[in-house]
Amino acid sequence: DTAVSQTPKYLVTQMGNDKSIKCEQNLGHDTMYWYKQDSKKFLKIMFSYNNKELIINETVPNRFSPKSPDKAHLNLHINSLELGDSAVYFCASSRGPTSSYEQYFGPGTRLTVT
Amino acid sequence: GENVEQHPSTLSVQEGDSAVIKCTYSDSASNYFPWYKQELGKGPQLIIDIRSNVGEKKDQRIAVTLNKTAKHFSLHITETQPEDSAVYFCAASINFGNEKLTFGTGTRLTIIP
Repeated sequence: DTAVSQTPKYLVTQMGNDKSIKCEQNLGHDTMYWYKQDSKKFLKIMFSYNNKELIINETVPNRFSPKSPDKAHLNLHINSLELGDSAVYFCASSRGPTSSYEQYFGPGTRLTVT
Repeated sequence: GENVEQHPSTLSVQEGDSAVIKCTYSDSASNYFPWYKQELGKGPQLIIDIRSNVGEKKDQRIAVTLNKTAKHFSLHITETQPEDSAVYFCAASINFGNEKLTFGTGTRLTIIP
């Protein structure tokens, strides 16, 4: 059983398009995250939700909009895609919002904007 | 905010030798320091962590040390094996409320058979 799953695994699209990435966790966790990993492997948090409530919102362009329909799902919608959005996006989950809880990462979604 | 520096960015060691990765952090209030391992094509996975009330922690071939005065912590892998090849990330945070993890820049470790 996959603990944290993301779809799609690969996403190739053109500049200006709108796309969504979906994430689901079956661990019963309360907290979910979106991270962006750039080409240099730098890993940076974008958003965090706890029990469907936004608790961390980093300085991310407002073209990025997360949505958590329930505790087990956290989706990421990106409007007007730009070349600089190309990266690997990781979803993660943890038991609670405190940083010392282990974070379980999904396999990532490689987004390529052409 | 917190800033975590990690060195080296790449490291190659002969199989069986030891590997050491070092990190420094800027916020003296940080008190939780995990290490994550990212294998090719996968998401990062927690391998060991340490809290500020402990100076050293060991789990089989992996150990982490923490020097709060100098604000640095290190990952030590002994008797390295080919499956240790991966990218390793250190991170730091304040273990309170909704504080985020701040990750280091990563170290690509290659074990040479």
